[in-house]
Amino acid sequence: KAGVTQTPRYLIKTRGQQVTLSCSPISGHRSVSWYQQTPGQGLQFLFEYFSETQRNKGNFPGRFSGRQFSNSRSEMNVSTLELGDSALYLCASSTGEGFYYGYTFGSGTRLTVV
Amino acid sequence: GQQLNQSPQSMFIQEGEDVSMNCTSSSIFNTWLWYKQDPGEGPVLLIALYKAGELTSNGRLTAQFGITRKDSFLNISASIPSDVGIYFCAGPYAGNMLTFGGGTRLMVKP
Repeated sequence: KAGVTQTPRYLIKTRGQQVTLSCSPISGHRSVSWYQQTPGQGLQFLFEYFSETQRNKGNFPGRFSGRQFSNSRSEMNVSTLELGDSALYLCASSTGEGFYYGYTFGSGTRLTVV
Repeated sequence: GQQLNQSPQSMFIQEGEDVSMNCTSSSIFNTWLWYKQDPGEGPVLLIALYKAGELTSNGRLTAQFGITRKDSFLNISASIPSDVGIYFCAGPYAGNMLTFGGGTRLMVKP
């Protein structure tokens, strides 16, 4: 059974640019959640998509957005990048119907903004 | 979201030692999760706890769901070098969102 796939693994962008990250969940999982991990703030929830709809949203500015496709693959976009957006972005896959098995995380995309 | 306070922040281990870490919250949780993260990878679920007072084992790992539902403990017995990494506690809130503790970094004693 394939795990959660995130692409790309590494990305370097310049301040002011925008970036799109991709996440393919485990087959059959309908929920994809995104997290930002930084040394200072730890793991913070960005948003969750379930059946193509944003179901929950964390406390991040509107520059952070996402979407989910009919095959459950999800993308997140960050516009007008700032140096502080440098982080490991993790997506997590789940059935979305109860928390009995937690999430399965991908390996993440390491974004560096210069 | 709610804050989870995890301690210790870091610790050195010597092979064969037992390790303990805990997580506390000012809010009640109905589920506690423990994850381990290796460098350059995403967190991997180790143990999930669903009932207050529950004690669950996974090999050398044992975790307990505190009776007040505001804390949880993770113990690792007879540590080995591959136990090195960062351990996170986490609890779900408001649906399918997780809040994480700050992590406990396990390192090997030189």
